[in-house]
Amino acid sequence: EVQLVESGGGLVQPGGSLRLSCAASGFTVSSYYMSWVRQAPGKGLEWVSVLYSSGTTFFADSVKGRCTISRDNSKNTLYLQMNSLRAEDTAVYYCARMSSGWEGSDYWGQGTLVTVSS
Amino acid sequence: DIQLTQSPSLLSASVGDRVTITCRASRGISYYLAWYQQKPGKAPKLLIYAASTLQSGVPSRFSGSGSGTEFTLTISSLQPEDFATYYCQQLNSDLIFGGGTKVEIK
Repeated sequence: EVQLVESGGGLVQPGGSLRLSCAASGFTVSSYYMSWVRQAPGKGLEWVSVLYSSGTTFFADSVKGRCTISRDNSKNTLYLQMNSLRAEDTAVYYCARMSSGWEGSDYWGQGTLVTVSS
Repeated sequence: DIQLTQSPSLLSASVGDRVTITCRASRGISYYLAWYQQKPGKAPKLLIYAASTLQSGVPSRFSGSGSGTEFTLTISSLQPEDFATYYCQQLNSDLIFGGGTKVEIK
């Protein structure tokens, strides 16, 4: 059974850093496109970043230069390192799996809440 | 950067209605578009990918069409479990989402 479980969210002060994890089971993370999507309270979905199976990465303009996306193949886990956090980064962060560049995200985690506040 | 504009942002409908949601891209994206359904407090659910391909397990009352810059999601006969928010997402490099369409009970 495919499962994605996010962790690492919490309360962080503006300017701080946080690393989110997405532990995968039932498939191999390195064989798929893996993305992070966030949703601010009461708002719509916002794509954050994607890591292709090839290792290519893309980031939304809103986080470019402040975030890195990576994976640990030995742990079958995806990460999102977020630095210089701002109040507007407050959101539920989801990781999601894409089979390819045209098939959409077929599996999603339950999300982890990041709150940026002093 | 490509932008996706969904319309309407709010749609009031009744059970049994035929519902159509539109997603317009600021420039052509071929068929690289997906549709998702999201219910409160839950992760999104993939409905349609490659503009018109129904995801496995999704009821056939959902259908997608379009290519280039204009796409539609149609629910042929709205069911009680379909009241939710729907998002389009472009699948070419930057995986931008549209602003969402909330389908509410009329």
